[in-house]
Amino acid sequence: DIQMTQSPSFLSASVGDRVTINCKASQNINRYLNWYQQKLGEAPKLLIYNANSLQTGIPSRFSGSGSGTDFTLTISSLQPEDVATYFCLQHNSWRTFGGGTKLELK
Amino acid sequence: QVQLKESGPGLVQPSQTLSLTCTVSGFSLTSYHVSWVRQPPGKGLEWMGVIWTGGSTAYNSLLKSRLSISRDISKSQVFLKMNSLQTEDTATYYCASLSSSFDYWGQGVMVTVSS
Repeated sequence: DIQMTQSPSFLSASVGDRVTINCKASQNINRYLNWYQQKLGEAPKLLIYNANSLQTGIPSRFSGSGSGTDFTLTISSLQPEDVATYFCLQHNSWRTFGGGTKLELK
Repeated sequence: QVQLKESGPGLVQPSQTLSLTCTVSGFSLTSYHVSWVRQPPGKGLEWMGVIWTGGSTAYNSLLKSRLSISRDISKSQVFLKMNSLQTEDTATYYCASLSSSFDYWGQGVMVTVSS
């Protein structure tokens, strides 16, 4: 099975900050990597698919990059409503989630 | 519009079998595959398994010995059965279509394993 290592597991940042979250795959997954946002009590919401494609309706401050084994989710200017937990998901071979990053306001 | 909805018991006794149903609308099970995902309270997401459009299945290797996923195309339903439940199987269970941009989730069903 492919393993996904997500970092950091916890992140504290201020409104307006640039935030980056990383996922590393245990083997090449090409660009088959999605990013999700999950708020308390809700199902995950897709932000980015196939590494760098913005899902419809998602603000442009969210972006994704990477290919192969290393991927990054960037929030260009953190907003209060971005407080949530973020997960990556590889869908190159079966499916594997990263461990999650809990993002809080400083 | 696309919808997925999980149903099943909220409480299961240890060592018993969990049976959940995912009812989908707005798409065909022969066009998009459906996965089961679970999330223990306060923890991360765990992919459990998938039933592909052709009806074949794949499972998380950690759960493979206990897990079975099937479907009824005519009823647009996907089923999960997992045996030998323990307290650590307490979680919210989601069905979801996890396919690039065709990504939809059910609301989830909380399952508690307790006597």
